[in-house]
Order: sequence, then structure tokens, then C-alpha cells
Amino acid sequence: GDSVTQMEGPVTLSEEAFLTINCTYTATGYPSLFWYVQYPGEGLQLLLKATKADDKGSNKGFEATYRKETTSFHLEKGSVQVSDSAVYFCALSDLETSYDKVIFGPGTSLSVIP
Amino acid sequence: DAGVTQSPTHLIKTRGQQVTLRCSPKSGHDTVSWYQQALGQGPQFIFQYYEEEERQRGNFPDRFSGHQFPNYSSELNVNALLLGDSALYLCASSFGGLSYEQYFGPGTRLTVT
Repeated sequence: GDSVTQMEGPVTLSEEAFLTINCTYTATGYPSLFWYVQYPGEGLQLLLKATKADDKGSNKGFEATYRKETTSFHLEKGSVQVSDSAVYFCALSDLETSYDKVIFGPGTSLSVIP
Repeated sequence: DAGVTQSPTHLIKTRGQQVTLRCSPKSGHDTVSWYQQALGQGPQFIFQYYEEEERQRGNFPDRFSGHQFPNYSSELNVNALLLGDSALYLCASSFGGLSYEQYFGPGTRLTVT
């Protein structure tokens, strides 16, 4: 079945450091890819998405590119802030095989220190 | 415009009891999906409701059941609670289940003792 793998955390960075969180996926169809963020004590928020190969999703300084050839969707940010501390989930949804059912990775916890 | 709302926020139950969680979708949405998020893990899909019927289901036992009402709100019921059912239960809504994007509620934290 479809699945998502992402780098284990926790990740600790200093403010203004560069962030990369690796994500790879396995899918039988042609999925859409997402990054969701969960701030402490809150629900999930969609951070960015990409629906086809080579699409780049971007939001709040974060970006990720849909790489079909490497089945990857790595999250990057050039300069992290303390307010970016949260858990980040890579996810996929394949509308050809399931309606809006989202498959999540295990999450990567990010802590940004001043 | 209210987003997805869930109630209650927190709940404590005893093993063997039954629980009902509630969700109101975002205005204009007609599809509700439920997820279970155990501590330190990613959310796992439980099931999805569309047009008052369960349209698809994840790998959860029959103890987990649901309902969708004509106003698109939804309930998640769990019978014969186990300690392992302790988790954050998330509701997500979308339109038609074909929107590429779901909006999540804040969740209900269920603790089974």
C-alpha cells in the first residue's frame, strides 16, 4: 500500500539556520503530496502542497518540490525562526484510489533555539 | 467563517466504556474524515463519511463506528474502549472528497484509564 517515510527527529537548529526535512513516498498511483505542521497543543495545518511532478509548493518561506523520479518531497526553509518550532508531517493523497484519504508520515519534530 | 470544530476538547474514560466524539465541518464542506493520532505518531485514517454514508475505511476494528447527519456534521463512536485507544482524534472536512485539500479541526484528546 501507499506509505510515507520521513527523517527521524527531533531536529534542533539555531535561529536563522537552513532547514531540510527529507521525505520519500511509495504510491501505486499518482498522488498529491503535502506538508502539514502541528504546533504544540494544536491540530494540523496544511503548510504546502504539490499535485503533479516538478510542482513546487511554497508557503511562509517553506518550499518543497515534487520529484517523481526520486519519489521525494523534501521540505526546506532558508532561515528558520523560533516560531517554526513544531512537528512537521509529510503526507500523500491519491484521488485515483481513495477520496481525500491522507496517508501521513510519522512526523519530524523541529526545535529552533535563539 | 468557522473552521472545523470538534467537541469535547478532552475526555477521560474507563476501559470498556463507550465514547462519542463530534465534529462540525467547515462551512461549504460535505465530506468528513476521522483520524487517530497516537502520541508521537502521525495521524492514521479511520474512515470517511460522504452523503451520510461511510465511503472508505482504514484498518480499524468494528468497535469504531460513525455517523454523518444531514447537516454534514459527524460523530465517531468507539465501543469497548481499550487503553490503546488513548489518542488525539482529528476530524477533517473537504468538499466532495476530491478537493486535494482537507481542513483539520483541533482534535479531541481521549484518555482511557
